[in-house]
Amino acid sequence: EAGVTQFPSHSVIEKGQTVTLRCDPISGHDNLYWYRRVMGKEIKFLLHFVKESKQDESGMPNNRFLAERTGGTYSTLKVQPAELEDSGVYFCASSLGLSGGKQETQYFGPGTRLLVL
Amino acid sequence: AQKVTQAQTEISVVEKEDVTLDCVYETRDTTYYLFWYKQPPSGELVFLIRRNSFDEQNEISGRYSWNFQKSTSSFNFTITASQVVDSAVYFCALSEGKRGANSKLTFGKGITLSVRP
Repeated sequence: EAGVTQFPSHSVIEKGQTVTLRCDPISGHDNLYWYRRVMGKEIKFLLHFVKESKQDESGMPNNRFLAERTGGTYSTLKVQPAELEDSGVYFCASSLGLSGGKQETQYFGPGTRLLVL
Repeated sequence: AQKVTQAQTEISVVEKEDVTLDCVYETRDTTYYLFWYKQPPSGELVFLIRRNSFDEQNEISGRYSWNFQKSTSSFNFTITASQVVDSAVYFCALSEGKRGANSKLTFGKGITLSVRP
C-alpha cells in the first residue's frame, strides 16, 4: 500500500512568488493534516481536513496560506505571496477516520522543503 | 495549552551502547495520546509507537522500549544496543483526546541521535 506522497520534494522560489504544494494521502484515509517545521523549531500544526471539510485551521499563520481538498482526496497548500519566513519543511499526514472516540495514528509523508529567497 | 519538551537536542553514542531519549509533556486533558516518530536522513517521519493516557504499561519492541510515567509526565524511549541505522531525529508528540477522534499533534523539538561505528 502506498504511503502519503508529497510533491514537489523541494521548491526554491523568490519572495513574492506563489508556490503550491500537493499531498496525496493514503488511499481511503478521511483525515488529512498539514504541518510545518521551520528550521530548528518544532513541527507545528497548520490545519486538518476531514474529507473535504476543514475541521481545524487554527494553525494557519495568515491569509497568504490557502488549503484545499476538493473531492476529499488529495490536498493542495498554496502560499501567495511567499515571504522569507515561510521557508521550512511542510509535512502532510493522514489517518483513517474510523473514529470510535480514539486518536488514530497519523502517517506522514516525506515533506516538501520550501526555500524562499 | 499542550506542550512537549525534549530537553536533549543532540546525543552521540558508539554502536552497541544503550541510549535513552527523554520526553516530558504538559496537558490539562485526562485523556490524551503520546507518540514517537523517527525521521531518518531521508526525511520522512516514521511512526514508532502510540500510547493512550490510560495505559501505563511499558512496551518493548525488539531493541526499542518505552517507559510511560504519568506521575512525572514523561514518555521516555530507550534504544538498546544501538546501531548506526538508528541515527535519526526522534520526535515525541502529544494529542488531546477529549474530542474523541483525531486531533492535531503537538511536537517536541526533536532529538538528533548519532550512532558512531
